[in-house]
Amino acid sequence: DAGVIQSPRHEVTEMGQEVTLRCKPISGHNSLFWYRQTMMRGLELLIYFNNNVPIDDSGMPEDRFSAKMPNASFSTLKIQPSEPRDSAVYFCASSLLVRGNYGYTFGSGTRLTVV
Amino acid sequence: TQLLEQSPQFLSIQEGENLTVYCNSSSVFSSLQWYRQEPGEGPVLLVTVVTGGEVKKLKRLTFQFGDARKDSSLHITAAQPGDTGLYLCAGGSGNQFYFGTGTSLTVIP
Repeated sequence: DAGVIQSPRHEVTEMGQEVTLRCKPISGHNSLFWYRQTMMRGLELLIYFNNNVPIDDSGMPEDRFSAKMPNASFSTLKIQPSEPRDSAVYFCASSLLVRGNYGYTFGSGTRLTVV
Repeated sequence: TQLLEQSPQFLSIQEGENLTVYCNSSSVFSSLQWYRQEPGEGPVLLVTVVTGGEVKKLKRLTFQFGDARKDSSLHITAAQPGDTGLYLCAGGSGNQFYFGTGTSLTVIP
């Protein structure tokens, strides 16, 4: 298995532009998570899906952020419009929830820089 | 809101030394995980502990879950340069894990 695949690895964009981050989870995993990591705030959970359904999006900073999971093998995180304070590393992780005994597998992340 | 505090925040030691990293919370968790993250990569799961007082060993790494399931420790024996990285604890509640503040470890050859 290739693991969790994220694209792009790096993204530099101008303030106000739309940014779309992509994630392919591990085949067979039924949960998918989007995290943001910064030096100041560490790893923050933005949203998570279970069986393609968003379960908790309380970590999404504001309406500029949206996430979708149209099928079990693909998810997107979109920021529109982007702002400099959105600069961070965004991670996607997937897991298999089986009676609560599971672990996350993270992708390599997307480093987003908004100038 | 950070539910888990890790200490120390930074640690720099010589190869061969022992060290302990702590993860503390006022919340009770159903399970606790430890991850290691290397620069430019995502965190990698090291271990999951689910029972209060549980101790797990992974080669030179020893993980312990507190009796009250609110805290945990990671002990590394005879640290090696390959142990360098960011160590993160994560407390589980339902299907969500809340990550700690992290401990950045540097092992000097």
